[in-house]
Amino acid sequence: GQQVMQIPQYQHVQEGEDFTTYCNSSTTLSNIQWYKQRPGGHPVFLIQLVKSGEVKKQKRLTFQFGEAKKNSSLHITATQTTDVGTYFCAGYGYGNKLVFGAGTILRVKS
Amino acid sequence: DVKVTQSSRYLVKRTGEKVFLECVQDMDHENMFWYRQDPGLGLRLIYFSYDVKMKEKGDIPEGYSVSREKKERFSLILESASTNQTSMYLCASSPGTFADTQYFGPGTRLTVL
Repeated sequence: GQQVMQIPQYQHVQEGEDFTTYCNSSTTLSNIQWYKQRPGGHPVFLIQLVKSGEVKKQKRLTFQFGEAKKNSSLHITATQTTDVGTYFCAGYGYGNKLVFGAGTILRVKS
Repeated sequence: DVKVTQSSRYLVKRTGEKVFLECVQDMDHENMFWYRQDPGLGLRLIYFSYDVKMKEKGDIPEGYSVSREKKERFSLILESASTNQTSMYLCASSPGTFADTQYFGPGTRLTVL
């Protein structure tokens, strides 16, 4: 079945450093979504990418969807302590369901 | 704002007990989902429903069942709880299509002793 791999599993950065998490699918995706889960909270939708090669920005966050629609990345510029949490990608491909990656836990040292 | 509520934040049950987890959404969404979240494994889909009285198995349905008698309510049932079902359970809902944004509830931390 469809699998979505996400790396790294965990990253600890100094405040002000950049951060990137990567998502790879075993199958072509029709769209990919990104969610953020704060410690003790629940996943909250950030963005959806649909088009091949699409790039979207939300302030310091940049989201990319690969040309082959099988991979995606989230890049945070100059991390802040408010960025801490777990970032999940979720791909919609075959079947009637989103498949979530395992998530990347981000910790920021101030 | 979409609101998804779950009946309990924390629950402790004994092995063999029947457990009901309730989820209610207030936005008239068609689709509802139950996930479990475990460290290093992300969110794994247990069951989902695209209409009242309709349900489909997700990736890990064994040991679980669901009920959707009303559009706004989706229940997860553990017929005979086991210790390996100790986990965080998250309910979500989404409007029209399965590709739509999912809105999550606060989660229920279930411990089975």
